[in-house]
Amino acid sequence: DAGVIQSPRHEVTEMGQEVTLRCKPISGHDYLFWYRQTMMRGLELLIYFNNNVPIDDSGMPEDRFSAKMPNASFSTLKIQPSEPRDSAVYFCASSSGGLRETQYFGPGTRLLVL
Amino acid sequence: GQQLNQSPQSMFIQEGEDVSMNCTSSSIFNTWLWYKQDPGEGPVLLIALYKAGELTSNGRLTAQFGITRKDSFLNISASIPSDVGIYFCAGQENTGNQFYFGTGTSLTVIP
Repeated sequence: DAGVIQSPRHEVTEMGQEVTLRCKPISGHDYLFWYRQTMMRGLELLIYFNNNVPIDDSGMPEDRFSAKMPNASFSTLKIQPSEPRDSAVYFCASSSGGLRETQYFGPGTRLLVL
Repeated sequence: GQQLNQSPQSMFIQEGEDVSMNCTSSSIFNTWLWYKQDPGEGPVLLIALYKAGELTSNGRLTAQFGITRKDSFLNISASIPSDVGIYFCAGQENTGNQFYFGTGTSLTVIP
């Protein structure tokens, strides 16, 4: 079975530009999570969905960040406008059956905002 | 948000040695997880713990859910070069749904 798929794997953009990160969860998983990883702050949960509905977005840093899940097989995380401090690795993860179940992580998108 | 404290921050050991690391929180957790992250990859779940005092093994890895429910431990026996990576703990509080992640322990195994 294919794991969690993320695209792009790497993104370099200039400050002020819009960035869209994409995620395809594992088929059949009803939870989807977006994380951000930096050296300074470690791994942080940004937002998670259950059955395509956002449940907790308290980790989203500010209004420049938005996430959508239009269907069970696709989610996006958008940053508009991007800033240099948004540079990080963004991970998508999915799980089935609830928050205590194993979360399977994608390979991540490495974002660099110049 | 809460951040779990992991110790040590980094370790350099000889192949064949045993490894111990721990994770502490300021609040009580009802779930502890241990992940390993290889360079350029996402974290992979190693062990999940759900009860205080629980001791669970996965091959050469053994993890324990601390009795106080505010800590957890991971041991790796007879380390090998492929054990290299960053190990993260993660925990979930009783009353909350969010998982909090530790700061990570970077492990280097010298052949």
